[in-house]
Amino acid sequence: ETGVTQTPRHLVMGMTNKKSLKCEQHLGHNAMYWYKQSAKKPLELMFVYSLEERVENNSVPSRFSPECPNSSHLFLHLHTLQPEDSALYLCASSRVLAGVFNEQFFGPGTRLTVL
Amino acid sequence: KQEVTQIPAALSVPEGENLVLNCSFTDSAIYNLQWFRQDPGKGLTSLLLIQSSQREQTSGRLNASLDKSSGRSTLYIAASQPGDSATYLCAVKTGANSKLTFGKGITLSVRP
Repeated sequence: ETGVTQTPRHLVMGMTNKKSLKCEQHLGHNAMYWYKQSAKKPLELMFVYSLEERVENNSVPSRFSPECPNSSHLFLHLHTLQPEDSALYLCASSRVLAGVFNEQFFGPGTRLTVL
Repeated sequence: KQEVTQIPAALSVPEGENLVLNCSFTDSAIYNLQWFRQDPGKGLTSLLLIQSSQREQTSGRLNASLDKSSGRSTLYIAASQPGDSATYLCAVKTGANSKLTFGKGITLSVRP
């Protein structure tokens, strides 16, 4: 058990649906991350939040909208997705101290299928 | 731009064999390097983290080495077991506040 949980674990949605992925960390960390893992490709960093502020947005389409209401929770709101958005979405957390982002701990992921 | 390569993409070995997984990176000015394990459909579990000032790290049957000058890291697994079957990912951090750059991973299968 890594201390980072994600719900749901599996999600199937149509292209017109709106859904949200949730991540919660119980490690006392102050930075959280969303990654996308597609088949045959390296993990792609999508967003980074540090102290509840977004510090990185790696050219992610606007149909993905992150939200970090506090240091323990991170959401990824999804709307009008495309089939190519089907992937494993991983959340991670870490401690940030004096600008140094320390070791990341990962959740189990949400397997998303867009029909 | 940092790029991380892991070759081969897949490896199958008989149980009990000692094996080496390779990772190469293009920019040798790294902050640290991390090896992760990922079971099918699951998240990542950190195995070993090597700081730029270190040459190797060990944990049980695992030993990771780092050669910054050649842009290489290896993960040595001693006396492999079927339970070691998983995908092993290498990730490099270029600076203290920079992101992790991942390789595509090596899918290992250990046959009983």
